[in-house]
Amino acid sequence: GAVVSQHPSWVICKSGTSVKIECRSLDFQATTMFWYRQFPKQSLMLMATSNEGSKATYEQGVEKDKFLINHASLTLSTLTVTSAHPEDSSFYICSAVPDNQPQHFGDGTRLSIL
Amino acid sequence: DAKTTQPPSMDCAEGRAANLPCNHSTISGNEYVYWYRQIHSQGPQYIIHGLKNNETNEMASLIITEDRKSSTLILPHATLRDTAVYYCIVRVINNNDMRFGAGTRLTVKP
Repeated sequence: GAVVSQHPSWVICKSGTSVKIECRSLDFQATTMFWYRQFPKQSLMLMATSNEGSKATYEQGVEKDKFLINHASLTLSTLTVTSAHPEDSSFYICSAVPDNQPQHFGDGTRLSIL
Repeated sequence: DAKTTQPPSMDCAEGRAANLPCNHSTISGNEYVYWYRQIHSQGPQYIIHGLKNNETNEMASLIITEDRKSSTLILPHATLRDTAVYYCIVRVINNNDMRFGAGTRLTVKP
């Protein structure tokens, strides 16, 4: 079946650095991908919709200059957390929708900022 | 989108059927009911979805009431690996950005 892959699965970095997370659709093309964030013991919150070849659409309250999204190909979207701080530590999850199938999710990236 | 209401937690004995309810009393005619689950530290996993007819697949069954105001996800023989948070989401089928509520934390006990 359709697979969505995220990389890395876990990253630890120092405060002030930027971190890039990749989301790939392995066996299908995705013109649209979605990025979610999940804090401990909370539900997933949609951050933004990534659109291939155009600007991402951000949910209210999500800083577009803080969370840079690039969707340069039909199989890859990247989320860059710029100048990360401890409050950005979270579980980041991407998803995509194969043709005629429900939304498929990646296994997430756990980001820890020291 | 229609709002869903689920119990925050449920327990189920291993090998028994797990019945997870979901209320969606404001559902519209073109909205589907989707179920996903999230096992700890993983991304959500699609389980099943339906519009108005009952649905069954290799993972579960979905029972939707005739008035479509509620539904029940049935795991026929729960195993310890079914312990997860289960999310019921109501969405128009072409709106792909799934919005997650709090879900039901199902704990399957030996």
